[in-house]
Amino acid sequence: SYELTQPPSVSVSPGQTASITCSGDKLGDKYASWYQQKPGQSPVLVIYDDTKRPSGIPERFSGSNSGNTATLTISGTQAMDEADYYCQAWDSITAYVFGTGTKVTVL
Amino acid sequence: QVQLQESGPGLVKSSQTLSLTCIVSGASISSGTYYWSWIRQHPGKGLEWIGYSYYSGSAYYNPSLKSRVTISVDTSKNQFSLKLSSVTAADTAVYYCARGVYGDYVFDSWGQGTLVTVSS
Repeated sequence: SYELTQPPSVSVSPGQTASITCSGDKLGDKYASWYQQKPGQSPVLVIYDDTKRPSGIPERFSGSNSGNTATLTISGTQAMDEADYYCQAWDSITAYVFGTGTKVTVL
Repeated sequence: QVQLQESGPGLVKSSQTLSLTCIVSGASISSGTYYWSWIRQHPGKGLEWIGYSYYSGSAYYNPSLKSRVTISVDTSKNQFSLKLSSVTAADTAVYYCARGVYGDYVFDSWGQGTLVTVSS
C-alpha cells in the first residue's frame, strides 16, 4: 500500500518560516494536499492540488511538490498556526492516503 | 455553507456493528461534484480514510477495512451512513464524516467528529 511519511515534530519561532515535508514514492506525480488540525477540532484543508489555497486560508500558507517530497511552508508563522498538519494524496489502489502527521510548535 | 453532523452510539460492544449517520445541510448530497466519506482517527494518532459513497450508491473502501465496511447514501434524507461490522477495541476512534471533492481528491468540509468506544 502507498505510504506518506512526515517528521513527527517541527519547531519554529514566531515570525519565522516553518517547513513541513511529506515523503512518498513518486509523490510528485500525484497531487498533494495539506490539512491543519488543532486540538479537539476537525481537520481543515489549507492546501490542495500541491499549491492552491482554499478561500479563507491566509497567504502565509504555501505548498510545493516535486520528486518524492511535498512541502508545506508557513511564512511568518503565528502562534495560531500551532497545530498538527497532515499531508494527503490519492493513490489508484489505496485511494485516499494520509501522512503520519507533524506537530508544529511555535516557541 | 455546507455543514456535516455525525450521529450515533458512542459505545459499541465488541463483535457488534458500529453504525453512524452523517446529516448534510447547506448542500445537496445528490450533487455529482462530491463524494461522501468517512474518516477515523485513533486516540492520539493520525487520520485513516475508511471509504466513500457517491450519490448514486457506488462505493469504494479502504482495502484494509473493505470486508467489514458498508457506506450508503440516502438522498431523500440528505444523509449518508457508515456500518462497520465485527468491531474490536482497535476500532475505538473519533469518526469523522467529510465531503470529498470529485476530481481534486480532497476533503473540503468535515463534521465535528464523534468518539466511538468499543467495549468488551
